[in-house]
Amino acid sequence: GAVVSQHPSWVICKSGTSVKIECRSLDFQATTMFWYRQFPKQSLMLMATSNEGSKATYEQGVEKDKFLINHASLTLSTLTVTSAHPEDSSFYICSAGGLAGGPWREQFFGPGTRLTVL
Amino acid sequence: DQQVKQNSPSLSVQEGRISILNCDYTNSMFDYFLWYKKYPAEGPTFLISISSIKDKNEDGRFTVFLNKSAKHLSLHIVPSQPGDSAVYFCAAMETSGSRLTFGEGTQLTVNP
Repeated sequence: GAVVSQHPSWVICKSGTSVKIECRSLDFQATTMFWYRQFPKQSLMLMATSNEGSKATYEQGVEKDKFLINHASLTLSTLTVTSAHPEDSSFYICSAGGLAGGPWREQFFGPGTRLTVL
Repeated sequence: DQQVKQNSPSLSVQEGRISILNCDYTNSMFDYFLWYKKYPAEGPTFLISISSIKDKNEDGRFTVFLNKSAKHLSLHIVPSQPGDSAVYFCAAMETSGSRLTFGEGTQLTVNP
């Protein structure tokens, strides 16, 4: 149980284009989903927290107009990187937490999406 | 401001021996701590957690110790196996929140 999927797993795009990454909780409904970014040999940095049906809460320094988050249901959240630039190249990981009746303080992570912007 | 720190970027141990990974934190509002294991190009996998009301939690080969007064926790793996080779992250959560703050990670290598 508690499986989280991400799609795509790897994407290459041209500078200036937008890329959408999907995060799905496959066998549970998560009240909260989180988006992280990890640069090589660095820690996971939280970008934003989203609750189903409400606006995402962004961490300091993360541009909300550049990283659009939509959390349309309890099983799906999307991150859209708009007008991507090479410095946005990174490993993006989502997680889901707040399992109803479950270990609500644990987060279950997706496999990540490698974004390369040329 | 790095609120969760893992000061050892790497650790190498022999198969069968104990691996001890350390983590320090500065935020006194943290009351729940987790360890995750991560392979390259994959998402972190939850290993074990501990609440601040406890000082030890054990699950099979994995034991986490918490020293609140020192704001220090450690993960013990015994016996270590080559398949344990990965990056280990400690993470912390505040009482009232749900966001995780991660340390920088420690690359564990278990040699056969």
